[in-house]
Amino acid sequence: GDSVTQMEGPVTLSEEAFLTINCTYTATGYPSLFWYVQYPGEGLQLLLKATKADDKGSNKGFEATYRKETTSFHLEKGSVQVSDSAVYFCALKSFQKLVFGTGTRLLVSP
Amino acid sequence: NAGVTQTPKFQVLKTGQSMTLQCAQDMNHEYMSWYRQDPGMGLRLIHYSVGAGITDQGEVPNGYNVSRSTTEDFPLRLLSAAPSQTSVYFCASSAGQGSYNEQFFGPGTRLTVL
Repeated sequence: GDSVTQMEGPVTLSEEAFLTINCTYTATGYPSLFWYVQYPGEGLQLLLKATKADDKGSNKGFEATYRKETTSFHLEKGSVQVSDSAVYFCALKSFQKLVFGTGTRLLVSP
Repeated sequence: NAGVTQTPKFQVLKTGQSMTLQCAQDMNHEYMSWYRQDPGMGLRLIHYSVGAGITDQGEVPNGYNVSRSTTEDFPLRLLSAAPSQTSVYFCASSAGQGSYNEQFFGPGTRLTVL
């Protein structure tokens, strides 16, 4: 079945460091890909999405490119802030079902 | 708009007890769903509904019941709670099932079954 694999956390960075969180997927068909963010004590919020190969999703300085050849959708940010500390989930949508990865916790220190 | 609301925020049950987790949305969304979040497993779909009167099973439906009598409400019922149902439960809604429809999540209910 469809699945999403993302890197184990936590990822610990200093403020202004470069962030990469890896995400790869397995899917039949042509899925849409998403990154969700979960701040402490809150539900998930959509961060960005891409609906076809080579699309780049971006929001709040984060970006991710849909790479069909490597089945990847890695999340990047050039300069993280303390306020970016959260859990990040990669997800795919195929045949109307949303499948999540296990989540990666990001901790940013001042 | 309040968005997606869930009650209660926290609940402790004993094995065998029953309870209902409430979920409501005020965005007139047709599609609603319930997920559980467990450490190291991401979110897994329990049940979903594509409109009032229509529900279907997700990935992990056993031990849970749902109904959808109105567009706004989508309660999740635990018939006889088990320790394996200790989890954080999220309700979500969207205007439709297509990829272009953003899913909005509630703040979650943390359930502990002793």
